[in-house]
Amino acid sequence: EPEVTQTPSHQVTQMGQEVILRCVPISNHLYFYWYRQILGQKVEFLVSFYNNEISEKSEIFDDQFSVERPDGSNFTLKIRSTKLEDSAMYFCASSERRPYNSPLHFGNGTRLTVT
Amino acid sequence: AQSVTQLGSHVSVSEGALVLLRCNYSSSVPPYLFWYVQYPNQGLQLLLKYTTGATLVKGINGFEAEFKKSETSFHLTKPSAHMSDAAEYFCAVSGNTGTASKLTFGTGTRLQVTL
Repeated sequence: EPEVTQTPSHQVTQMGQEVILRCVPISNHLYFYWYRQILGQKVEFLVSFYNNEISEKSEIFDDQFSVERPDGSNFTLKIRSTKLEDSAMYFCASSERRPYNSPLHFGNGTRLTVT
Repeated sequence: AQSVTQLGSHVSVSEGALVLLRCNYSSSVPPYLFWYVQYPNQGLQLLLKYTTGATLVKGINGFEAEFKKSETSFHLTKPSAHMSDAAEYFCAVSGNTGTASKLTFGTGTRLQVTL
C-alpha cells in the first residue's frame, strides 16, 4: 500500500538554525498537510497546501515557517530560525481530496530537537 | 470553530474486556468525525470516520463508533480488547463545508491492555 514517507526520522539542530523537513506524499494525492505534536500534547494543525499554494494555516504557522512543493513529488516544511519551543514531532500527511471527503494518510514523523 | 474533548488521557483494560474511549465534539457546522490510532514511533492511522448516513460506523481491527448528535459524542468501542490494541487513540473533527481543509484533534487517550 502506498505510504507517506518523511525524512529524516530525527533531526537535532541548534537554536537559530534553519531546518528543512522533507516529505514524499502519496503520488495521486492532491492535498498536503503538516501537523506537529509537542511531547505529551495534542496533534496540532500547521498548514494545508493545495494547487501549489497554502489553503489554510494556523496561528502557529508564522513567518518563521514556510512550505514548498519544489518538484512535484516532495513537500517540505522549512523553519527559518528555530526556537526551543519548536521541538516536536512533525507529521506530514496527504489526502486525495479534502479531509472530510477522504482520509488523511500520515507519515511516521520527524522528531525535531532544538538545543 | 471546532474542538474535541477526549475524557481520560489513560485507559487501562484487561485483555478480552470492553474498550470504551470517549470523545465529545463542538462544531458550529455539521461535523465529520474521525478516530485515528498511533502506535509507538509511527504516524497516525485512520481507524474509522463518520461523514453522513449511518450513525454507527465500523472501522478496522474490530473498532466501531457511534455518532450521537444529541450528546455531541463520538465514542469509540471494541467488544473485546487485544494486547495489540495498546496504542494512543485520537479523536478528530473536520467541518463539512467546502473550504474546510484541516482536522482538529483531541489530546489523545493512551490505551493500555493488561493480561
